[in-house]
Amino acid sequence: QSALTQPASVSGSPGQSITISCTGTSSDIGGHNYVSWYQQHPGEVPKLMIYDVSNRPSGVSNRFSGSKSGNTASLTISGLQAEDEADYYCNSYSSSGTSYVFGTGTKVTVL
Amino acid sequence: QVQLQESGPGLVKPSETLSLTCTVSGGSISDYYWSWLRQSPGKELEWIGYISYSGNTNYNPSLRSRVTISLDTSKKQFSLKVNSVTAADTAVYYCATGAGWYEYWGQGTLVTVSS
Repeated sequence: QSALTQPASVSGSPGQSITISCTGTSSDIGGHNYVSWYQQHPGEVPKLMIYDVSNRPSGVSNRFSGSKSGNTASLTISGLQAEDEADYYCNSYSSSGTSYVFGTGTKVTVL
Repeated sequence: QVQLQESGPGLVKPSETLSLTCTVSGGSISDYYWSWLRQSPGKELEWIGYISYSGNTNYNPSLRSRVTISLDTSKKQFSLKVNSVTAADTAVYYCATGAGWYEYWGQGTLVTVSS
């Protein structure tokens, strides 16, 4: 199955809000509420930021929020900070093959 | 808090079997599903598969014919085997908790496939 589609890069100034999209199909994002998001700084381990579309694990800042509409999931970072500069990946369950598929990744740059 | 640590050879020859073990500490083996993921240099993450406490497994269809994940509850370890490796299997391999979303991760181990 194909990777979920994310923009290669998104940028914003400190304090602004940005949104990262993750587009799939009715077999994955559109058909299930099992979307998660991960933050990965260079050379580091991915960190879970959002699970089940919009839930935040304990310890994750409430500046991060998730949503879904149709076949597209979104991660919004509000009040952008320098420490938010990282790569972000979405992930979804896919009934096509009964597996899990990641997005292509988005590099967030804080200007 | 659960801690995970991958171990295994960092270099595997083409056509041979890649074998990795993940050791679990700070948590109960029965509390989670246990997954393996990998990330090729400069590329996106890829889910390899998971195993439940009861031993049920589910694998990425693209790897299913070559992958086996097993669990040793007495040692609090779970393992990954990938058969018939090629250069395309060169990646950082991660073990993690969960199936579908991955809360705790190991530090990752780089496995290079080369003769």
